[in-house]
Amino acid sequence: EIVLTQSPGTLSLSPGERATLSCRANQSVRYTYLAWYQQKPGQAPRLLIYGASSRATGIPDRFSGSGSGTDFTLTISRLEPEDFAVYYCQHYGSSPPYTFGQGTKLEI
Amino acid sequence: QVQLQESGPGLVKPSQTLSLTCTVSGGSIDSGAFYWSWIRQHPGKGLEWIGNIYFSGKTQYNPSLESRVTISLDSYKSEFSLKLSSVTAADTAVYYCATYSAYDAAFDYWGQGTLVTVSS
Repeated sequence: EIVLTQSPGTLSLSPGERATLSCRANQSVRYTYLAWYQQKPGQAPRLLIYGASSRATGIPDRFSGSGSGTDFTLTISRLEPEDFAVYYCQHYGSSPPYTFGQGTKLEI
Repeated sequence: QVQLQESGPGLVKPSQTLSLTCTVSGGSIDSGAFYWSWIRQHPGKGLEWIGNIYFSGKTQYNPSLESRVTISLDSYKSEFSLKLSSVTAADTAVYYCATYSAYDAAFDYWGQGTLVTVSS
């Protein structure tokens, strides 16, 4: 089972700044099957990035994903007020379970 | 665009079976495009994948829950269901239904979630 560890646990930044969120796997991720989600309080998660670097439909280009192997990064180039939320990475390998990281809270 | 809506009791007694249904609209549950999934989130915690079902009836379950979980699909009603048996307070969570696309290896669409509390 692949375990995903996200860092930092909490990231405190201001609007307009650049955010860099990390997701590290305990073994190499298959085919860069790594996704990122945003979750705001009281809402379901929303898919941001799939395949490590492809933006989902309707996601602004200030969101970008990168990485391969065991190290992945979600970057938000210039933070907007609506970007403050919790972010999760997720992976599925060749057999269950589908795993999520523990989340990074991005706060003002 | 696929839309998902969870329904079911918000309160379940310990040792009983939690039953939820997810109604699918805007897409065919028989299309083969998605694995129909259940995910839960304990209060204030992260996301835990419970299991999924394909239109063929093939299921996958989280090994940590497999002995208590059953996911089924009713294509006529365009819905899929979750049953979790022998619940305890540790099963109190927001339960989401979602679609998993093998094409992009991600959970594309999510229901709004429903809180299920296990309490006597």
